[in-house]
Parts: sequence; C-alpha cells; structure tokens
Amino acid sequence: DTEVTQTPKHLVMGMTNKKSLKCEQHMGHRAMYWYKQKAKKPPELMFVYSYEKLSINESVPSRFSPECPNSSLLNLHLHALQPEDSALYLCASRPRQGITANYGYTFGSGTRLTVV
Amino acid sequence: AQSVTQPDIHITVSEGASLELRCNYSYGATPYLFWYVQSPGQGLQLLLKYFSGDTLVQGIKGFEAEFKRSQSSFNLRKPSVHWSDAAEYFCAVSNFGNEKLTFGTGTRLTIIP
Repeated sequence: DTEVTQTPKHLVMGMTNKKSLKCEQHMGHRAMYWYKQKAKKPPELMFVYSYEKLSINESVPSRFSPECPNSSLLNLHLHALQPEDSALYLCASRPRQGITANYGYTFGSGTRLTVV
Repeated sequence: AQSVTQPDIHITVSEGASLELRCNYSYGATPYLFWYVQSPGQGLQLLLKYFSGDTLVQGIKGFEAEFKRSQSSFNLRKPSVHWSDAAEYFCAVSNFGNEKLTFGTGTRLTIIP
C-alpha cells in the first residue's frame, strides 16, 4: 500500500457543526501533515506530527484541532468554522528516519470542504 | 526562512513541444527540492526530487530537473509535452531534516493541439 487515503472526499458543513476529516496511511511513515489549499493557491502547512506527537503548529486557529491516535491515522477535528475556511485540505506523510527519510512526501487526494 | 519563486503564473505550450518551468529558491544551506503536479481537484503527485549528488534529476512521466546552485534554480523540463501534462505544477523546498515543505505559487500549464 503506497497511498494516503483521505475521507470524506467532499464535506459541506454549517458554521455551528462539528465534523472530522480523516487521513490514513499504511506505509509505516512516522511523520504526518495537514495542509490547507485555497483555490488557485499553493498548499499551506497547518500541522506536523512526528512519531504521533504534534511538532509544528503554524499558528492555526483553535477551531481546527488535530489528533494522531496512532501511527497510521491522522484526524482533523473541525468546529465553528467560518466560510473563509472553505478549502481543499490535504494530508501528507513521510518516512521519519533512515535513508527513506529523504523520499518525498506522499499526499492524499484531499477533502474539499465547504462551510456554509 | 526558506522560500520558492515560480515566476511564470501560466504557460501555454503546443502538444509535442518542449517545456521548461522555472523555479528559484532561497535557503541558507543545501536545500531539498521537489516538483509536484496537481490536476484540478486532486492531490499532489511527486514528479521528482533533489537532495544531493547528480544535479540532473530524472523523474516520472518523462520529466527532468536540473539543480544549479550558482543560480539558486531548479527548473523542470520535458522534451515533448502531451495533452495529459496539462495541470498545475508546484516547486517546493524543504528545510534540513525535511520537516517543513514550502511551496511556490505554482505554474498552470495549458497544452494546445
């Protein structure tokens, strides 16, 4: 298995809803990432998990709450989002050690989030 | 801080013609450099990467890139483009330890028959 799987592919939520995005990989990668991509813009880093511990938070608002329950799974919990949070949310993973740490990141196909 | 510049927002190329997409980076040490491709509404696919060694890097789908330290560049090339190459192309740089991947603004490639 050489993929990063993200679910759901599309999500529409109201500003008072609570929802979660899920990311899963079975490549043994120990670094996992959340990126946010607005239309016609490059991806922007949100969070980095290394060995299931949060190592980088790029000053993301608290309405986004990441969670890494095990080495294969990464969640992004969403609460009280704003319409400007509508974007493509991308998950990525990377080997954390050894020569394979020099491999490129593997990205999922993303969750298209619309906040209404 | 690391940064990437892709000076061309949009490039149009005829099918079968050659292609070069420009990328310039700013980073204090030896960078880790990547090219990714993104089709509309899709995730990112890695085309190729450079960490060290041979400065001419071969990737998937017939792409190659050349690292030129003196010019702080990592341009992507393909000798003959196909209609299926139409997509958004992102150059990216990573810091030492490969913890943080920073993307350029992207170049949209259009292929005309």
